[in-house]
Amino acid sequence: QKEVEQDPGPLSVPEGAIVSLNCTYSNSAFQYFMWYRQYSRKGPELLMYTYSSGNKEDGRFTAQVDKSSKYISLFIRDSQPSDSATYLCAMSSISSGSARQLTFGSGTQLTVLP
Amino acid sequence: GAGVSQSPSNKVTEKGKDVELRCDPISGHTALYWYRQRLGQGLEFLIYFQGNSAPDKSGLPSDRFSAERTGESVSTLTIQRTQQEDSAVYLCASSLISNSGNTIYFGEGSWLTVV
Repeated sequence: QKEVEQDPGPLSVPEGAIVSLNCTYSNSAFQYFMWYRQYSRKGPELLMYTYSSGNKEDGRFTAQVDKSSKYISLFIRDSQPSDSATYLCAMSSISSGSARQLTFGSGTQLTVLP
Repeated sequence: GAGVSQSPSNKVTEKGKDVELRCDPISGHTALYWYRQRLGQGLEFLIYFQGNSAPDKSGLPSDRFSAERTGESVSTLTIQRTQQEDSAVYLCASSLISNSGNTIYFGEGSWLTVV
């Protein structure tokens, strides 16, 4: 079993829809959770970074963490065609120290249709 | 440069040949990472450099893989005697200090195809 599971999709939604992307994990030591967006043939870029259980909002994006269920989500409101990308979750068990400690999900490919 | 620069952006090589992939990190970034991303899969850590410390090579999949970095500048990832399973995108990233991901910046990757 992988430490981090993420549905690879592909996920296709109409413009304006609410998108829900999810990851589950098995390592209870994970404390820090990130979402990266990766456009086709580009490197990943950091979207959201969260620590505690609960919600964190940034514009149209909301990251949700449920440590008791070992489940994290990224919600995208009013989705746009420019949101079409692969979304990777990542998590780590330490706050400082190298990013070598990051464990990535396999990514969910999202397409927002105009 | 403004971002992490990688070259070549694309490389097609014959099985058994050696390849070198180059990464030029953001100026001043002391930490540099190499990841591998196979099609449809997440990022797989390969190697980490931090300043003048000994690199963390724990992610290198075999002794055919090696990497060097001179000081806090350019890094080269070398794959010897390439195999078809080496086909992937090789991503380099850099950051100011060791951290959990807040300020890690990725390059656009070197897309390697072994035929």
